[in-house]
Amino acid sequence: DVKVTQSSRYLVKRTGEKVFLECVQDMDHENMFWYRQDPGLGLRLIYFSYDVKMKEKGDIPEGYSVSREKKERFSLILESASTNQTSMYLCASSENRGIGTDTQYFGPGTRLTVL
Amino acid sequence: AQSVTQPDIHITVSEGASLELRCNYSYGATPYLFWYVQSPGQGLQLLLKYFSGDTLVQGIKGFEAEFKRSQSSFNLRKPSVHWSDAAEYFCAVGAAAGNKLTFGGGTRVLVKP
Repeated sequence: DVKVTQSSRYLVKRTGEKVFLECVQDMDHENMFWYRQDPGLGLRLIYFSYDVKMKEKGDIPEGYSVSREKKERFSLILESASTNQTSMYLCASSENRGIGTDTQYFGPGTRLTVL
Repeated sequence: AQSVTQPDIHITVSEGASLELRCNYSYGATPYLFWYVQSPGQGLQLLLKYFSGDTLVQGIKGFEAEFKRSQSSFNLRKPSVHWSDAAEYFCAVGAAAGNKLTFGGGTRVLVKP
């Protein structure tokens, strides 16, 4: 079974802090994704990566950056956290058969609260 | 641009009753359609997906979905709901030439004993 793990289930940070969310997948998948989940809005894509050191902006990249130094690990960075970034963050991965068509496998999520 | 609408935010159903969740999509070409389920405290899990062929698709946990091109719909059904089906359900659309999945807003299902 594919396993996607996220470093924290719950995180509380203060406004202005730099925040790192880590994601690791164990199935040698090419593609990795970061989503933000908010009630009524579903999942919105922040960034995705289709290869090591490669990244593409999603629908809502403002205020976020990402890093993929190793194939299995994809990090989401909030350079200066703000209260409007309080949300659930989901990481996902998929094989390299088509980002728009392939099944994505999700981690359990990190619920981030920014005070 | 592709988009997905799930008209029902919440649905309450009695255990043993049937369930139908609505999904309407907008996409110009042939869509790739997915249903995911998110149980409390967990990530999303794929229930089923449609690419082509038979428009009635069987998935895990006794779920099925029917693709209706004329109505731009991909509704999810289950004949008899179990208490463990209480969760949030997300419809998503993708495309062969696309570089992302677009998710609907989700439908939260509550199961009454």
